[in-house]
Amino acid sequence: ETGVTQTPRHLVMGMTNKKSLKCEQHLGHNAMYWYKQSAKKPLELMFVYSLEERVENNSVPSRFSPECPNSSHLFLHLHTLQPEDSALYLCASSRGGGPGSGANVLTFGAGSRLTVL
Amino acid sequence: DAKTTQPPSMDCAEGRAANLPCNHSTISGNEYVYWYRQIHSQGPQYIIHGLKNNETNEMASLIITEDRKSSTLILPHATLRDTAVYYCIVRVNGYNKLIFGAGTRLAVHP
Repeated sequence: ETGVTQTPRHLVMGMTNKKSLKCEQHLGHNAMYWYKQSAKKPLELMFVYSLEERVENNSVPSRFSPECPNSSHLFLHLHTLQPEDSALYLCASSRGGGPGSGANVLTFGAGSRLTVL
Repeated sequence: DAKTTQPPSMDCAEGRAANLPCNHSTISGNEYVYWYRQIHSQGPQYIIHGLKNNETNEMASLIITEDRKSSTLILPHATLRDTAVYYCIVRVNGYNKLIFGAGTRLAVHP
């Protein structure tokens, strides 16, 4: 496989459930991202990992817990979510690092559409 | 980061050039202009980026004004598959933090 793969593509969960979203990239990138896209809203950056270290956390509620075990995999663990957390969750990857590294050229996955009942 | 301003929507006839403008009047000298697009319910797709010279690739051309305060993304022969939201983002190269605005919704019609 090539590119950025997200699973599951669709997820329905209750507010008391615990679930996880998975992202995998086969591009040799060392930075990975989670974005959230609610209906009719711009993409919101949630988390950034560079070389498996979290470098950005945009005031995301603790009910969202990211995990980056290695440079190819990224997880978003979900627990006690609210209906307003229903959204498209997008994973992306890029080369990380300093100027000229292409760090802002992101490759996105197709997204995981989450519905919280 | 410099803020960008884009028209909320544009129309284009199939086969014609689509010219999408972006204003970034507060851009600083080390900030690049990036363009992405998002086709309905898919992940955004990188199109092109540049610093001050015009750039062209297989998808599009990017024209940046000499004062760098605005730019135009050109899709030379728009097709129905180019219907999408187009995002113009200004960012210092090398930083892992792209912020997306509302973008321009381009509708290509037959």
